Amino acid sequence: SYELTQPPSVSVSPGQTARITCSGDELTERYVYWYQKKSGQAPVLVIYEDRKRPSRIPERFSGSGSGTMATLTIRGAQVEDEGDYYCYSTDSRGGVFGTGTKVTVL
Amino acid sequence: EVQLVESGGGLVQPGRSLRLSCSTSGFRFGDYSVSWVRQAPGKGLEWISFIRNKDYGGTTEYAASVEGRFTISRDDSKSIAYLQMNSLKIEDTAMYYCSRVPYGDYGGIDYWGQGTLVTVSS
Repeated sequence: SYELTQPPSVSVSPGQTARITCSGDELTERYVYWYQKKSGQAPVLVIYEDRKRPSRIPERFSGSGSGTMATLTIRGAQVEDEGDYYCYSTDSRGGVFGTGTKVTVL
Repeated sequence: EVQLVESGGGLVQPGRSLRLSCSTSGFRFGDYSVSWVRQAPGKGLEWISFIRNKDYGGTTEYAASVEGRFTISRDDSKSIAYLQMNSLKIEDTAMYYCSRVPYGDYGGIDYWGQGTLVTVSS
């Protein structure tokens, strides 16, 4: 199976831009999905198919990708955006989550 | 409203079995595929199993960590998915999430249940 690597942590002040990367050799051939996970809660989809945003997710969340790296950007991060973020990719054999990034907004 | 509700978790001894259920509502269950994902204490998310919808034959996939021990299944008439877990190990201790996959063959998850806790301990 392949691996998706994320930075362990990202810290920003409220209103700043947080960027979370996800790298993996096979991302050139697969869509990337991003999930927000808060302690004690179920994960929430924030970006799907690399750059599409569900209607219930604030516009400050966006996704992009190039080659073997995908990026989740939170523009104007809010305190409520704190949590763990995971990238995810799948193929016909199954799915793989990234290593996870803890985002702190303070 | 899309809902997925897991049940069946609990405390179980190593080597024993447990069956998790995922009851769903708010959507046409048969049109969707299902994944199970788990999160061990202090660890990240781990995909463990996937079952396609009937249009894709209801075929299944497993992570290497559970292949041969876990079996995913579905009952479209009841809108329920299952995860049969046999030969449980201490390292299977985790919160188990059922999730909806809006793709027939493979793809990402759009909705998740709240999870059910499985603790494997003697």
